[in-house]
Amino acid sequence: GNSVTQMEGPVTLSEEAFLTINCTYTATGYPSLFWYVQYPGEGLQLLLKATKADDKGSNKGFEATYRKETTSFHLEKGSVQVSDSAVYFCALRSGNTPLVFGKGTRLSVIA
Amino acid sequence: KAGVTQTPRYLIKTRGQQVTLSCSPISGHRSVSWYQQTPGQGLQFLFEYFSETQRNKGNFPGRFSGRQFSNSRSEMNVSTLELGDSALYLCASSLGVGGQGGSEQFFGPGTRLTVL
Repeated sequence: GNSVTQMEGPVTLSEEAFLTINCTYTATGYPSLFWYVQYPGEGLQLLLKATKADDKGSNKGFEATYRKETTSFHLEKGSVQVSDSAVYFCALRSGNTPLVFGKGTRLSVIA
Repeated sequence: KAGVTQTPRYLIKTRGQQVTLSCSPISGHRSVSWYQQTPGQGLQFLFEYFSETQRNKGNFPGRFSGRQFSNSRSEMNVSTLELGDSALYLCASSLGVGGQGGSEQFFGPGTRLTVL
């Protein structure tokens, strides 16, 4: 079945540091890939997505590239801010199957 | 455009009781999905409804049930509550399902259920 593996947290960075959160997946067919973010006390917000190989999703300075050859969709940001502190979830959806999420990575950015 | 709304936001129940949670999707969205979020298990899929029909079901016991109304609003019910049912229950809406166009899911703020 479909599954997503993302790096364990928590991740603690200083403001303006470079961020990478690794995500790899196993899926049948050609999945769409997503990154969601959850701020404290809130639901999930879609951060970015990619629907086919080599697509790059980007939003608010975050980027992720759909790499079919390595089955990966790593999240990156060049310069994090305190306001980026949240939990980040990698997810995929293939065909009519429901969204499958990774376990989440908690990011803390300190000033 | 209003987002996904869930009511109530917080709920405290005791073991053995039952509970009903409500979700109103974004206007025009016909698909509603439910997820359970716990610290130990993460985000787990419960069910997905499209045009009042259950399209997908996760691996949860029969105590968990749901339905969707003609206006796309959805409810989920948990009967005979157990301590382990304490969780954040998230609802998500989308235009379509799966590989259909517009299947991107938008989440509500969740209902925090505490079972004592």
